[in-house]
Amino acid sequence: GAGVSQSPSNKVTEKGKDVELRCDPISGHTALYWYRQRLGQGLEFLIYFQGNSAPDKSGLPSDRFSAERTGESVSTLTIQRTQQEDSAVYLCASSGTGGGNYGYTFGSGTRLTVV
Amino acid sequence: AQSVAQPEDQVNVAEGNPLTVKCTYSVSGNPYLFWYVQYPNRGLQFLLKYITGDNLVKGSYGFEAEFNKSQTSFHLKKPSALVSDSALYFCAVRPGSARQLTFGSGTQLTVLP
Repeated sequence: GAGVSQSPSNKVTEKGKDVELRCDPISGHTALYWYRQRLGQGLEFLIYFQGNSAPDKSGLPSDRFSAERTGESVSTLTIQRTQQEDSAVYLCASSGTGGGNYGYTFGSGTRLTVV
Repeated sequence: AQSVAQPEDQVNVAEGNPLTVKCTYSVSGNPYLFWYVQYPNRGLQFLLKYITGDNLVKGSYGFEAEFNKSQTSFHLKKPSALVSDSALYFCAVRPGSARQLTFGSGTQLTVLP
């Protein structure tokens, strides 16, 4: 597609429920990143996918968080047993074969509210 | 580990005046430096980058940034601010060996008419 698409744009869920966030990167972009942005704070790296290589999961805050990506296509970020501190905007970004040299293209994010 | 500091949470400037948004960084090796802008309810947009070459880089919307290796800084500048420049600005860095960016905490720029 023309840009990075994320869905849903907003999600309200009850504490303890599981949620799944979707990211559709720019076609042909080999790298895909997930970040979290809490209210009034900067971006916190979560996970990075590059092609078929093993993902860099070093930023995932707990084992309740997981992400999948098949090849160079759609990625899903799953949060199990959501907690109120998970409330944030979850941003996805993709970049081409030059990696971060050319900057990322970000989606508009999914605003997650855990009540 | 790399880090980015944006020492000012908020910068206010009058329209038509020059603006500066500060950024300092810490990284091993040669840094790759970026500025992004975030408008309300929208994703981050790439403004400009420094990879190598001239220390002064020019980007979108008339913004520029100067890489200063001795001061480990990469301040964002614009000669004449517009009200429409009001937004949240993020500085980011990565070492050449990494792929993911580390972002600063952001600076809210408000340009007053």
